[in-house]
Amino acid sequence: DQQVKQNSPSLSVQEGRISILNCDYTNSMFDYFLWYKKYPAEGPTFLISISSIKDKNEDGRFTVFLNKSAKHLSLHIVPSQPGDSAVYFCAASARGYGGSQGNLIFGKGTKLSVKP
Amino acid sequence: DADVTQTPRNRITKTGKRIMLECSQTKGHDRMYWYRQDPGLGLRLIYYSFDVKDINKGEISDGYSVSRQAQAKFSLSLESAIPNQTALYFCATSDLPGLYNEQFFGPGTRLTVL
Repeated sequence: DQQVKQNSPSLSVQEGRISILNCDYTNSMFDYFLWYKKYPAEGPTFLISISSIKDKNEDGRFTVFLNKSAKHLSLHIVPSQPGDSAVYFCAASARGYGGSQGNLIFGKGTKLSVKP
Repeated sequence: DADVTQTPRNRITKTGKRIMLECSQTKGHDRMYWYRQDPGLGLRLIYYSFDVKDINKGEISDGYSVSRQAQAKFSLSLESAIPNQTALYFCATSDLPGLYNEQFFGPGTRLTVL
C-alpha cells in the first residue's frame, strides 16, 4: 500500500505561471518531507524540504506547504520556467521511527512540463 | 568531481548473467542506499546500509545482493539477471537523520537485461 502518493503523473503549465505539485501521505509517523527534481539521464537532486513542525518553507521560487491534518503537502513554483521541466518526486521520512530510521519513502513522481 | 559516482553508467546483459553495479562516495556519509526506478513506479528501495557492518533489505530485495566493502563503497549484484530487472538503478548516501535528512544521489546506471 502506497504511503506517499502523487496522483498526477503529469502537469503542463505556461512559462511565468504558477506550478502546483501535490503529494499525499498516509503514515502519521512521517515528520520530514522532501521534494526532489530529476532530469533525464541524471540522478534525483534535492530541491526543498519541510519539517512537520512547520507549515511552510520557502526557497526562492520554490515553496512547500504542509497540511498535517490533511496529510497533504504541495510544492509551488512561481514563476515557472522552461528549465523547471523535470520529474518531481515527493518523499517522506520518520526520522526517529524504528529500524529504518530516516529512510525515505518516495512517491511515483509528477512530470512537469513548462511551455515557453 | 561528483560526490556520488556509479559505474557503469549503461549496461546491456543477457538473462542468467551475473552483474555488479558499483557505487562510490566522497561525502563521508555512513549511510548508503540502492534504489531502482521503473516508469510510473517511482523510486523503490532495494537495500540499505547504515555502516560497513550493517546491511538491510529494502522493499524489493529479491534477486539482488549487496556488499559494503568500505564506508565509501557499496555494490549491488544481480546473481542471475532476468528481463524484469531492466531499470534505472540509483545509489544514494546520507548522513545520520537529524534536523535534516536529505539523500544525495548518483547519476544512475541504466541496465538492460535481454
